[in-house]
Amino acid sequence: DADVTQTPRNRITKTGKRIMLECSQTKGHDRMYWYRQDPGLGLRLIYYSFDVKDINKGEISDGYSVSRQAQAKFSLSLESAIPNQTALYFCATSDAGIGFYGYTFGSGTRLTVV
Amino acid sequence: DAKTTQPPSMDCAEGRAANLPCNHSTISGNEYVYWYRQIHSQGPQYIIHGLKNNETNEMASLIITEDRKSSTLILPHATLRDTAVYYCIVYSQGGSEKLVFGKGMKLTVNP
Repeated sequence: DADVTQTPRNRITKTGKRIMLECSQTKGHDRMYWYRQDPGLGLRLIYYSFDVKDINKGEISDGYSVSRQAQAKFSLSLESAIPNQTALYFCATSDAGIGFYGYTFGSGTRLTVV
Repeated sequence: DAKTTQPPSMDCAEGRAANLPCNHSTISGNEYVYWYRQIHSQGPQYIIHGLKNNETNEMASLIITEDRKSSTLILPHATLRDTAVYYCIVYSQGGSEKLVFGKGMKLTVNP
């Protein structure tokens, strides 16, 4: 099984619908992140969490919310989806301790809002 | 904003070394240089990181200039599977910073 699992892998939804993207990890990492990627662009940070009781906004949090249900689970919600939220979404985890070797990313969720 | 500058694209012949440059002239003393790559639309993959010494692992080598204002990622024998977008990122370990991705550089390995 993958270290970081995102569900669903692909989703098409209608404008105005609420949708949740889920992320779970088996790395035992405290830190989790949600990024979105638009064609030809790098990844932009939406929200991040350094532990279960910590939630922080990233650079593009408007229109999104998150929930850190447990150390291993971090969900991203689109309260009322709009077409310009069509993008590829990635969840990532990291360990903040010494010997940090980078983020581990999930395989992504391709979301289309019609 | 990303703290690094990379050329938008580069080509390399299969079997040859690929040298990917990165400028990070405003890097501070506690910031590491990290390299990730993203193959097609998969999640980015960690490659290597370093502070000031050159580093090598099974994937690549990282050469950091003495003034730390630039670095080069070296793929010693590029294969077609190395075709990807490569991201050079500066990052401070253990703090509250997050990885900030720029647009990266598209490496195309040609047969």
